[in-house]
Amino acid sequence: EDQVTQSPEALRLQEGESSSLNCSYTVSGLRGLFWYRQDPGKGPEFLFTLYSAGEEKEKERLKATLTKKESFLHITAPKPEDSATYLCAVQSNYGGSQGNLIFGKGTKLSVKP
Amino acid sequence: DSGVTQTPKHLITATGQRVTLRCSPRSGDLSVYWYQQSLDQGLQFLIQYYNGEERAKGNILERFSAQQFPDLHSELNLSSLELGDSALYFCASRAGQAGELFFGEGSRLTVL
Repeated sequence: EDQVTQSPEALRLQEGESSSLNCSYTVSGLRGLFWYRQDPGKGPEFLFTLYSAGEEKEKERLKATLTKKESFLHITAPKPEDSATYLCAVQSNYGGSQGNLIFGKGTKLSVKP
Repeated sequence: DSGVTQTPKHLITATGQRVTLRCSPRSGDLSVYWYQQSLDQGLQFLIQYYNGEERAKGNILERFSAQQFPDLHSELNLSSLELGDSALYFCASRAGQAGELFFGEGSRLTVL
């Protein structure tokens, strides 16, 4: 069964204190791994797609990396506006899934000034 | 703005009632996905449509149904509502069967 586990569940950082969020996955053939940001009461906002081990993508203070078993979202010198829940999701190569994304439960990040 | 529009944003109703949630996908997107998000379960896939046809079902209850119309908008119908159906319901779309999904702002359903 395809599964995504994110850790930690919650993370509190001081402004400027860099850290990483973890996403471990098991999937029957990885077609893509996705990172989203979700603010309270809002829809998930797409951040990155990673397709193969060794791939990295960056956007402002965020950098996503991928290995064969996990992905990391590195946050460098975070600011209070980076506070949100970060969601990881995978898409399987299995044809029956019809492109559905399987989501983890997320990491709630709080950045204090 | 993702380009996916959902209505209503908020809905309060009573147990046993029926509601309809509406989704307009991004222009040109043929695939529509419905997800349910509750506090303890995270985002759970309900059902997918592609160009008017149902393509995949997830953890969707028999009391729930959906359809996609010729203009590609989709509706999620929830009936015989129970307290446990209170959640955020999200619609997402993409052009085909792969790649990132773009989510709407959600419909918050409260069943009293």
